[in-house]
Amino acid sequence: DVKVTQSSRYLVKRTGEKVFLECVQDMDHENMFWYRQDPGLGLRLIYFSYDVKMKEKGDIPEGYSVSREKKERFSLILESASTNQTSMYLCASSSSRVRNQPQHFGDGTRLSIL
Amino acid sequence: AQSVTQLGSHVSVSEGALVLLRCNYSSSVPPYLFWYVQYPNQGLQLLLKYTTGATLVKGINGFEAEFKKSETSFHLTKPSAHMSDAAEYFCAAGKTSYDKVIFGPGTSLSVIP
Repeated sequence: DVKVTQSSRYLVKRTGEKVFLECVQDMDHENMFWYRQDPGLGLRLIYFSYDVKMKEKGDIPEGYSVSREKKERFSLILESASTNQTSMYLCASSSSRVRNQPQHFGDGTRLSIL
Repeated sequence: AQSVTQLGSHVSVSEGALVLLRCNYSSSVPPYLFWYVQYPNQGLQLLLKYTTGATLVKGINGFEAEFKKSETSFHLTKPSAHMSDAAEYFCAAGKTSYDKVIFGPGTSLSVIP
């Protein structure tokens, strides 16, 4: 079965810290995505990657960066965490081999910045 | 720019009643459409999808949705609500490169005993 695993379910960090959120998928998917989810705003795309070492900015990339050194792993980095980055973060992956296949999601990381 | 709207941020229905969650998309060309469900403290799970072909799409857990091009709509229905249907529902549309999709703001469904 499809599996997207996010390393932490809950995370508490302090303002100014560098924060790493990790995501691993076991489906050999080409595409991987990072979203943040806030009440009333739905899911907003931060960054996505369609291949190893490739990345594209989404709708709200400011304050974030990503890394994809291996096909199965996609990391989201908060360079200097701020309180307005407190949110639920969702990772997803999808296949490029068949057009517009659905995305498969991890269980999310609820991040609090104090 | 393509967008997805969901009418009603919160919907309440009685157990056994019809569930209707509304979704409209803006696009001159029919996109690919998805409905996802999110249970508390979990990620999103695909309910159903429309790509091409039959406009009435059946999904998991008794849900179905109908693509209506003339109305640019993709409403989600279930004939009889169950307590376990209480969750957040997201409509999404995709017609961009690299399988990006645009998500609606979500509708929270409550089921009253």
